[in-house]
Amino acid sequence: DSGVTQTPKHLITATGQRVTLRCSPRSGDLSVYWYQQSLDQGLQFLIQYYNGEERAKGNILERFSAQQFPDLHSELNLSSLELGDSALYFCASSVGAAGDFETQYFGPGTRLLVL
Amino acid sequence: AQSVTQPDIHITVSEGASLELRCNYSYGATPYLFWYVQSPGQGLQLLLKYFSGDTLVQGIKGFEAEFKRSQSSFNLRKPSVHWSDAAEYFCAVVLNAGGTSYGKLTFGQGTILTVHP
Repeated sequence: DSGVTQTPKHLITATGQRVTLRCSPRSGDLSVYWYQQSLDQGLQFLIQYYNGEERAKGNILERFSAQQFPDLHSELNLSSLELGDSALYFCASSVGAAGDFETQYFGPGTRLLVL
Repeated sequence: AQSVTQPDIHITVSEGASLELRCNYSYGATPYLFWYVQSPGQGLQLLLKYFSGDTLVQGIKGFEAEFKRSQSSFNLRKPSVHWSDAAEYFCAVVLNAGGTSYGKLTFGQGTILTVHP
């Protein structure tokens, strides 16, 4: 158990809908990262937040947005869902902002299926 | 752009045999290097990481990896594989300097390991 929690574990929804994925980092970690794992794209970095502020951005679609709240939990919002958004979404956390030499601890993921 | 290549999509070994999973990276400088393992239905667990210093790195579960700058490689090894090692293994790199890629892990495509009894 990494100490990172993600809810829900599974999510089934329809095209065009909007969903929210939630992540609670390990106690004491200030950075939260979101990754998408799909069969065709593999594991891709989406976005990083550090202490409530956006820190780095990857291949995140404009239909997707994220935020980190004062209690440090984070939410990833996916809107106007398409079939291709079906994937496993991981959250990870690390102690500080300098994620390049820090270990990122991954949660169990949320599996999203868009029908 | 930096990239990570894991040439082997699927490897099958017998229990007790040795294992080597290959990883090559493309980057101008030495990145920080990681190996993660993903068991079915699980998140990713860090096996080991290399930042600097001794090029042979020891990790958890009996794994080790060797950084070879001349070959831009960071191969993962285990002398004797156990059935519980069956999983998918990911090599990852991150920039070792500040900038917009701060904290961004770039993953290889993964290698699925099957262990025969």
